[in-house]
Amino acid sequence: GESVGLHLPTLSVQEGDNSIINCAYSNSASDYFIWYKQESGKGPQFIIDIRSNMDKRQGQRVTVLLNKTVKHLSLQIAATQPGDSAVYFCAENWTSGNTPLVFGKGTRLSVIA
Amino acid sequence: DGGITQSPKYLFRKEGQNVTLSCEQNLNHDAMYWYRQDPGQGLRLIYYSQIVNDFQKGDIAEGYSVSREKKESFPLTVTSAQKNPTAFYLCASSRRWNTEAFFGQGTRLTVV
Repeated sequence: GESVGLHLPTLSVQEGDNSIINCAYSNSASDYFIWYKQESGKGPQFIIDIRSNMDKRQGQRVTVLLNKTVKHLSLQIAATQPGDSAVYFCAENWTSGNTPLVFGKGTRLSVIA
Repeated sequence: DGGITQSPKYLFRKEGQNVTLSCEQNLNHDAMYWYRQDPGQGLRLIYYSQIVNDFQKGDIAEGYSVSREKKESFPLTVTSAQKNPTAFYLCASSRRWNTEAFFGQGTRLTVV
């Protein structure tokens, strides 16, 4: 999951298992959330997003869960593959406010073959 | 192909020199952003632009400057005033202010 500090938290999972990456967001007014995947040496890529009027959204092999009560977001990856190894960032946004996306610190996912 | 292009991918400069990083998008996006990423860390916002001819400071703007004279282009200048310029720089754009951002592939700047 997310943490403050200089070093990224790391999640190691066996190939084929499910992965759950957690994110605690800071602004209770945030109403739009995005998960990004960043491979080494590349820019972040959009994975999935969710708005605050939903608590779950599914994509291909990924599911995002939103718990507004505790300001928590999670990304579930089914049947994790070696190609899923990357750093995952959550981002939050208050769409009515005058501030850009705020990114979390990131979690490194390592898939063990 | 539509996308956001950063150039160059790697850049080396001597300490005390200004350097400009290029960012171009052909997605017709209104908003553009510059982020800095240090090893093992998240993204920190340097500058952002909601619309052409307008830009705002982000969290770590000191030592950087930008311009937004064209919708497609948002160059970032790293000045000699930036105390620790070696980093990975990411440019992004979004269709409207505060919608999903698309990222370029980044420029790795090394100052020696």
